[in-house]
Amino acid sequence: LAKTTQPISMDSYEGQEVNITCSHNNIATNDYITWYQQFPSQGPRFIIQGYKTKVTNEVASLFIPADRKSSTLSLPRVSLSDTAVYYCLVGDNFNKFYFGSGTKLNVKP
Amino acid sequence: DTEVTQTPKHLVMGMTNKKSLKCEQHMGHRAMYWYKQKAKKPPELMFVYSYEKLSINESVPSRFSPECPNSSLLNLHLHALQPEDSALYLCASSQERGPSYEQYFGPGTRLTVT
Repeated sequence: LAKTTQPISMDSYEGQEVNITCSHNNIATNDYITWYQQFPSQGPRFIIQGYKTKVTNEVASLFIPADRKSSTLSLPRVSLSDTAVYYCLVGDNFNKFYFGSGTKLNVKP
Repeated sequence: DTEVTQTPKHLVMGMTNKKSLKCEQHMGHRAMYWYKQKAKKPPELMFVYSYEKLSINESVPSRFSPECPNSSLLNLHLHALQPEDSALYLCASSQERGPSYEQYFGPGTRLTVT
């Protein structure tokens, strides 16, 4: 089971790029890396997922180095509405999986 | 329709009560999940159903009893809960089982056990 480590919190300003890193040193071959965003009193919302290299969608990019022992979620030009908790999740489709402890991102004006 | 609905939104129950949480999705997803989330903590996986069969039970106490009557519905029956069971209970669904599939979460049921 891949244990993940994330920074507890990060601060940023509007318009900046934010990079949140998740460490998963014992990631297994079949594990995928997924990031979710959660606002207070709401369920998490899927942001992006990857297996290796780089993935980009309309809201974020995910960078995964060749050894896959970490991953970095990149949010371009954040706004106040991006203030939320960001979770990385690492696991395969056959076993139990866990959300990481989460990173609280605080975007300031 | 990419919505997962959960009822009720809030529930207060005594330790001797029996209540049920309900979750519904109409996306044709074959996997459904129950999570428990305490304040300032990540969601904790409780149960996973795949094709209406329980496939993962994360050593959850028997006072929580899941049920999947059909592919669109997921229930969580509650009986003789403890105050420490107070939490946000989240339901999610995905196309198939597992973290490689995007999970769609409902808004949760805020449960208070008195």
